Amino acid sequence: AQKVTQAQTEISVVEKEDVTLDCVYETRDTTYYLFWYKQPPSGELVFLIRRNSFDEQNEISGRYSWNFQKSTSSFNFTITASQVVDSAVYFCALFRGTSYGKLTFGQGTILTVHP
Amino acid sequence: DTGVSQDPRHKITKRGQNVTFRCDPISEHNRLYWYRQTLGQGPEFLTYFQNEAQLEKSRLLSDRFSAERPKGSFSTLEIQRTEQGDSAMYLCASSPTGTVSTDTQYFGPGTRLTVL
Repeated sequence: AQKVTQAQTEISVVEKEDVTLDCVYETRDTTYYLFWYKQPPSGELVFLIRRNSFDEQNEISGRYSWNFQKSTSSFNFTITASQVVDSAVYFCALFRGTSYGKLTFGQGTILTVHP
Repeated sequence: DTGVSQDPRHKITKRGQNVTFRCDPISEHNRLYWYRQTLGQGPEFLTYFQNEAQLEKSRLLSDRFSAERPKGSFSTLEIQRTEQGDSAMYLCASSPTGTVSTDTQYFGPGTRLTVL
């Protein structure tokens, strides 16, 4: 069975602070894909990043960075110098390499950035 | 290129009524997905189409739920005899043709259903 755990239900930071959102996953598959999505108050899920299980290289995109570690089954997301516009719910999701349908989502982390 | 669109954005209905939602995927995306999201939870997979074929259905999709994609373009999700437990956000996503490595799902704004 597949499972994604986001242990942090809510995080509150002050603008310009760095913040890391944790994601731990469980799967028996050797080929799989991990995703992060952002859900602002408007409700639409916005795709942020996809990482496949064979690529453990960390990635940086502007203020966003992702740390993928297969040894600990973790795919953590860091926002550097947070801004009020980063306030949203962030979801980590897992996609089986052998299934063309189902994304398994974590429960999400509510991030609030205060000015 | 426009994103995934969903209609209506909000629907309020009385228990026992039927409702139908529409999803228009990104053009040229041949895969279309439906998810349900309840308050404080992550989205849960309901069903998936490749072109007009419904290839996968979740156990969450009871016999009161039916989804179609008749011409391989837009899709509809119908809920018959709605119950208060059906109140949720219904999300649609689409993904492009290709290998799994390019199969990123792009989501629409969702339809929020409230059953009174």
